[in-house]
Amino acid sequence: QQQVKQSPQSLIVQKGGISIINCAYENTAFDYFPWYQQFPGKGPALLIAIRPDVSEKKEGRFTISFNKSAKQFSLHIMDSQPGDSATYFCAASGYGGSQGNLIFGKGTKLSVKP
Amino acid sequence: DAGVIQSPRHEVTEMGQEVTLRCKPISGHNSLFWYRQTMMRGLELLIYFNNNVPIDDSGMPEDRFSAKMPNASFSTLKIQPSEPRDSAVYFCASSLSPEWTGLADNEQFFGPGTRLTVL
Repeated sequence: QQQVKQSPQSLIVQKGGISIINCAYENTAFDYFPWYQQFPGKGPALLIAIRPDVSEKKEGRFTISFNKSAKQFSLHIMDSQPGDSATYFCAASGYGGSQGNLIFGKGTKLSVKP
Repeated sequence: DAGVIQSPRHEVTEMGQEVTLRCKPISGHNSLFWYRQTMMRGLELLIYFNNNVPIDDSGMPEDRFSAKMPNASFSTLKIQPSEPRDSAVYFCASSLSPEWTGLADNEQFFGPGTRLTVL
């Protein structure tokens, strides 16, 4: 029940294309859903996050779509660029006051071909 | 701001040796997290501290692992004795607020990690 399932494991997209990464969760107590971006040799960095009171959040070329009833959320990267090549992790958290226990998906390695 | 600082960046040791990983969180942050990253298991939370107090250590694999936070600016993760299966990248992260709000002050900032290889 604590798992966050992420797919696909790897993704190859042409420059200018749309990258889509999906995540699913089971724990209905989760109320915070961030996406982290990790470049080789670096730590993960927060990219964008959403709360379940909205169905979509957009920041530049990055959009989170959230489906509360299906317990799914996804990351869309529009106009994908070679510089977006990285590993992306979805995560979920929120235990009504219990801080911090981010449950991460296994990650998606994105390669954007020029 | 220097961000979260971890040392060493790389550590190679032999099975049975003691390993100590170090972390300096961002100044002013009140929560500190230790994670382990492997290909097989992904990112796993090992332990986290709020205001220097360990809150949840349920992710610590076994008694060989221990973590301390003697003050707000320093934490250690110790493995004694180390085993080859402990080989991984260990990340430290910090966040501003110890109280869960689900908002920006709960954002976790990760350090660059320590790549540990146990031979």
